[in-house]
Amino acid sequence: DAGITQSPRHKVTETGTPVTLRCHQTENHRYMYWYRQDPGHGLRLIHYSYGVKDTDKGEVSDGYSVSRSKTEDFLLTLESATSSQTSVYFCAISVGQGASGELFFGEGSRLTVL
Amino acid sequence: AQKVTQAQTEISVVEKEDVTLDCVYETRDTTYYLFWYKQPPSGELVFLIRRNSFDEQNEISGRYSWNFQKSTSSFNFTITASQVVDSAVYFCALKGRDNYGQNFVFGPGTRLSVLP
Repeated sequence: DAGITQSPRHKVTETGTPVTLRCHQTENHRYMYWYRQDPGHGLRLIHYSYGVKDTDKGEVSDGYSVSRSKTEDFLLTLESATSSQTSVYFCAISVGQGASGELFFGEGSRLTVL
Repeated sequence: AQKVTQAQTEISVVEKEDVTLDCVYETRDTTYYLFWYKQPPSGELVFLIRRNSFDEQNEISGRYSWNFQKSTSSFNFTITASQVVDSAVYFCALKGRDNYGQNFVFGPGTRLSVLP
């Protein structure tokens, strides 16, 4: 157990509404990531963070923003949700050898945009 | 660019059979890391193994074994005497050189069904 919790675990929302997903870790790891998982695409990186207030874009960052105001929390925001953002979202931390370590994932957040 | 291919989309076996999940990767980095993850029907992602590119020694953990061959860019995963609890989607992943762990590429996954 890498001490990662995601909230909410399930959410249904309507197109155009803002949505924020929260990732909370208890072990003070520096590197945190948001992935989305879609059938046929595996896991794709949305945004990542390498420290407080240090974030950058991943492969599929359009339509998403992130914030990390303290080490333990990494927030993913959909400013105006679209149906294409219906997905399962996973938060992850890098454990072991800093950024070269293995990823440990949260339980996932299932988002449905109607 | 990095890429991970898992050519087997779905595999079905009967309990107690051995099964091998294939993983082929592409990278230009000389130092890289390979991983396998398991995603059971409950949905969580479970880390199974990490292998460094400079360590080609195969590994066995109980019924699980991994065969890393740099010459063929493959990192295959074998389950011996499969059990129903092994039913899951298995992901192979590759991490190349980067500063922040952002260069982590997953394959599309192989869905394994172990039938009783």
